[in-house]
Amino acid sequence: AQSVSQHNHHVILSEAASLELGCNYSYGGTVNLFWYVQYPGQHLQLLLKYFSGDPLVKGIKGFEAEFIKSKFSFNLRKPSVQWSDTAEYFCAVNLYMDTGRRALTFGSGTRLQVQP
Amino acid sequence: NAGVTQTPKFQVLKTGQSMTLQCAQDMNHNSMYWYRQDPGMGLRLIYYSASEGTTDKGEVPNGYNVSRLNKREFSLRLESAAPSQTSVYFCASSNGRQSDNYGYTFGSGTRLTVV
Repeated sequence: AQSVSQHNHHVILSEAASLELGCNYSYGGTVNLFWYVQYPGQHLQLLLKYFSGDPLVKGIKGFEAEFIKSKFSFNLRKPSVQWSDTAEYFCAVNLYMDTGRRALTFGSGTRLQVQP
Repeated sequence: NAGVTQTPKFQVLKTGQSMTLQCAQDMNHNSMYWYRQDPGMGLRLIYYSASEGTTDKGEVPNGYNVSRLNKREFSLRLESAAPSQTSVYFCASSNGRQSDNYGYTFGSGTRLTVV
């Protein structure tokens, strides 16, 4: 079955440290890829997205992600994290459902805790 | 503010009770979705509606029913609630084909506890 995997479940960093969160998916065709962020007690917000073109995409708040097609990966990066980046991060891919239509399939999420 | 509105925000049910979660969007989106969020499992798709008049099962549809009342509204019904349905439920909408590019807009969620 098509799936999305996030290997880092809980990451703890100090402020100013660099961040990289992994995301892999299992589907050999064309995909659109997303990273969402959920701050404590809030709903999901779109960080960035990739659908074509430059595989290095930049999003809000200094985040970026690189699509590597050969590795089926879409890793999220930030050079220097802040305490305010403490949140849960979800990778999502628009995969085909059994009905033949696409819908966003999410990874299990990575909880990022940034210590002052 | 434009967006996706969910009601209620919180609900406690007893096992066996029924309830309907309401969702409405004012962005003229074609597609709407219901997800549940459980710790360590991310968001899992329950049902979705690609357009008005159509609904399809997602990854975890058992124990739920949906109604796409019109283009704006997409409700989720629990006919006989079970403790395993304790979760946070999110409604989302998208432009349909254009959603491949722009992503989904999510509501603020309904926290449901079944005791």
